[in-house]
Amino acid sequence: KQEVTQIPAALSVPEGENLVLNCSFTDSAIYNLQWFRQDPGKGLTSLLLIQSSQREQTSGRLNASLDKSSGRSTLYIAASQPGDSATYLCAGSQGGSEKLVFGKGTKLTVNP
Amino acid sequence: EAQVTQNPRYLITVTGKKLTVTCSQNMNHEYMSWYRQDPGLGLRQIYYSMNVEVTDKGDVPEGYKVSRKEKRNFPLILESPSPNQTSLYFCASSLLRTGGGTGELFFGEGSRLTVL
Repeated sequence: KQEVTQIPAALSVPEGENLVLNCSFTDSAIYNLQWFRQDPGKGLTSLLLIQSSQREQTSGRLNASLDKSSGRSTLYIAASQPGDSATYLCAGSQGGSEKLVFGKGTKLTVNP
Repeated sequence: EAQVTQNPRYLITVTGKKLTVTCSQNMNHEYMSWYRQDPGLGLRQIYYSMNVEVTDKGDVPEGYKVSRKEKRNFPLILESPSPNQTSLYFCASSLLRTGGGTGELFFGEGSRLTVL
């Protein structure tokens, strides 16, 4: 059964800092890995989708990588801004199905 | 505008009173799914559907029913709600990838349900 872990659970950084959020999963037979952002009281917004044949995706100041052999994905945020404050979640599919398993998220606070 | 719409957004009900949370998407997505989000437990998948009349259990299906009679709609039914079903519920949809797995997931705004 796929399990997804995100460490740390919370992170506080000063504005302008580059940072890395971590996601680890137990089943390397993963179809894809998605990163989401969730603002308080809101739904999730997809940030990046890394498909099983890819190793990374980039969008603006965000870069996500996927290493299936080590069971890890990282989300890199460059030059963080207060508006980046949110909870970031990763989700992976269980091998052989479209079931999605979410990590519990990392709550990021970027201080001005 | 591409969107996933859930209704109601907020609901307070009593134990045993049947309720339905509707979900509709306008993106012609094959895949639709329901999740519940609870403090300390994160997001957990309840049911998912890969197309009309095709549904499968997620990790926490007990106490819930779904149906997929039309491609755009995927209602979540609580036949006899209990207090442990008090939660924040999300519906999501995506295209299905040819090689397997889902594409980018689009989420609704959430439905906060309280069962007294």
